Order: sequence, then C-alpha cells, then structure tokens
Amino acid sequence: AQKITQTQPGMFVQEKEAVTLDCTYDTSDQSYGLFWYKQPSSGEMIFLIYQGSYDEQNATEGRYSLNFQKARKSANLVISASQLGDSAMYFCAMSLNTYGNKLVFGAGTILRVKS
Amino acid sequence: EAGVVQSPRYKIIEKKQPVAFWCNPISGHNTLYWYRQNLGQGPELLIRYENEEAVDDSQLPKDRFSAERLKGVDSTLKIQPAELGDSAVYLCASSLDGGLAKNIQYFGAGTRLSVL
Repeated sequence: AQKITQTQPGMFVQEKEAVTLDCTYDTSDQSYGLFWYKQPSSGEMIFLIYQGSYDEQNATEGRYSLNFQKARKSANLVISASQLGDSAMYFCAMSLNTYGNKLVFGAGTILRVKS
Repeated sequence: EAGVVQSPRYKIIEKKQPVAFWCNPISGHNTLYWYRQNLGQGPELLIRYENEEAVDDSQLPKDRFSAERLKGVDSTLKIQPAELGDSAVYLCASSLDGGLAKNIQYFGAGTRLSVL
C-alpha cells in the first residue's frame, strides 16, 4: 500500500534558523514523485517543491530543499533562514504514475517560527 | 495568471440539505481534482477528471455525492443529502496534464463545509 508518514505533529524554529521536516514514504513502484505543500491558515495548498524518483540531484527552490534518500525512502524538507511567514502546516505527498499520478498526502506537520 | 478559484469559501447547512461547490481551474489545465480534507488530516482524492471524463472516482461516495465537469473547464461537486460527517474542507486542484510524471497540482483556497 502507498503511504506517507510525517512523524512530527508540530515543530518550533527560531527565526533565521534552518529547520528540517521529516517525511518517509512506502511504495513498491519504481516511478513516483514526491511533493511538499504549504497550507497557511487561509487554507490554500501552496506547492513548494518536487522530486522525481529518478532524479539524481536533490531538488532546490529558493529557501526550500528536499533531502531525498531513496534507499531509506525519505524525502525531508529543509527550510533555510526561517521567516515568520513560514508558520503554516506542511504536507508531504507522493504521486504514483501507475495510479494516474494521484496524490497521497501525509498527515502534516505544523511549523511555528518564533521571533 | 489567475489561480484555481473556488466558491463559496464557507457554507453552513443543516443535515439532509443539499449543497454544491464550484471550481474554476487554471486556464489550459486539462486535469481537475476534487479532494476532501478532514480536520487535522491531509487531503484525500474524491474524483479526478481528464477534460470532461471522470477517470478516477473510486473514492467518491456515489450514493450522495456527484460531480460534473461540463465542457472540460468548470466543475461542480454536489452532496445530497448532506450528513454530519461531511463537514470538511473541499479542495479543488488542477494540473496541466495528469499523465505527466511531474504533475504539479495547483489548489484553490477550498470550501469549508459545516453540517449542523
């Protein structure tokens, strides 16, 4: 069965510091994609970063980077230089090519940035 | 470029009443998704459209839920009759092509439904 696990219900980080949000996944498929979304209190899911299962380099998008360890089936999100506006819920998700690329989401991690 | 637009943002109804949600995807996006997000959980797919065709509705409770995507653009999700357990946020998303490996889904702000 395809599953995403986010073991940190909540995290605190000091402003300007880096933070890592954990994500592990379970699939027997060889072809899949991994995504991170941010959901502020306003409710909209904002796409942050994508990593393909065949991508050799870790994905980066500005202050976001994805630490992809395929053998360990982990896809951790690293946010550098945290800002107050980063406070939100963060979801890890997986898409499976054999299932029409539907997204399977984890339960999310609430991040609070302290000033 | 406009994002995914959903309306209404909030809806409060009594149980057994009908309710409908509307979604306008990003222009040019062929694939449209409806998700339900229960409190404290990640979204779960209800139905996926490729143009006008519903290609994955396996998670849609068909006894009370229905959806349509006329002309392959806007979509409506309906619940009739609503039950207390339907209280959730209903999210619409769209993507350029659901068949692509890098299939980025862009979400609307959602409709928060409360059934009393």
